[in-house]
Amino acid sequence: QSALTQPASVSGSPGQSITISCTGTSSDVGSYNLVSWYQQHPGKAPKLMIYEGSKRPSGVSNRFSGSKSGNTASLTISGLQAEDEADYYCCSYAGSSTPYAVFGGGTQLTVL
Amino acid sequence: EVQLVQSGAEVKKPGESLKISCKGSGYSFTSYWIGWVRQMPGKGLEWMGIIYPGDSDTRYSPSFQGQVTISADKSISTAYLQWSSLKASDTAMYYCVRLTLIYYFDYWGQGTLVTVSS
Repeated sequence: QSALTQPASVSGSPGQSITISCTGTSSDVGSYNLVSWYQQHPGKAPKLMIYEGSKRPSGVSNRFSGSKSGNTASLTISGLQAEDEADYYCCSYAGSSTPYAVFGGGTQLTVL
Repeated sequence: EVQLVQSGAEVKKPGESLKISCKGSGYSFTSYWIGWVRQMPGKGLEWMGIIYPGDSDTRYSPSFQGQVTISADKSISTAYLQWSSLKASDTAMYYCVRLTLIYYFDYWGQGTLVTVSS
């Protein structure tokens, strides 16, 4: 099972919106609405930001939103803030046989 | 409050064995899958495998099958990741995670840094 494909880096200015894509296949992203997104600041453990494609855990800002079209999931961050600068990873359920879940390669977000 | 607390950093030599731990608290440890995620230096996240502490059902990612062993002791709410013979390429940060029924990782341990060097 190959990793999901994410852009290596994206950037935006404070206040702008950015979107990070996560492309999989019909065996993972395309078959299930079970994509999750994680934010990781340097030296810290990842943090859940989006689950089931578009749901936000309690405490996560509504500036973060998720969506899916076909085999591609997306994370959109609106009203960019300096604190959003981090690495972002998508993850998708990949079926009931191994490996069950697969991560994207990660996207480094720079707030200019 | 749900917490996953991992054991401390380790420095080992190639060929040595190692077992790191992850203690869960604040929830029913036997009711959720626990997983392990590897992050090599400067690299992304890799899903290694999961265990259901209730019955010790264990599943491995193909990339890690046979390379590591995942286990759990439900009497002390602790999951383990172990190696029988470490390699330099095992140098990484290892996170334990709680996996929900709809396949997302809602809680993460603080990570255990494993360094393998001669």
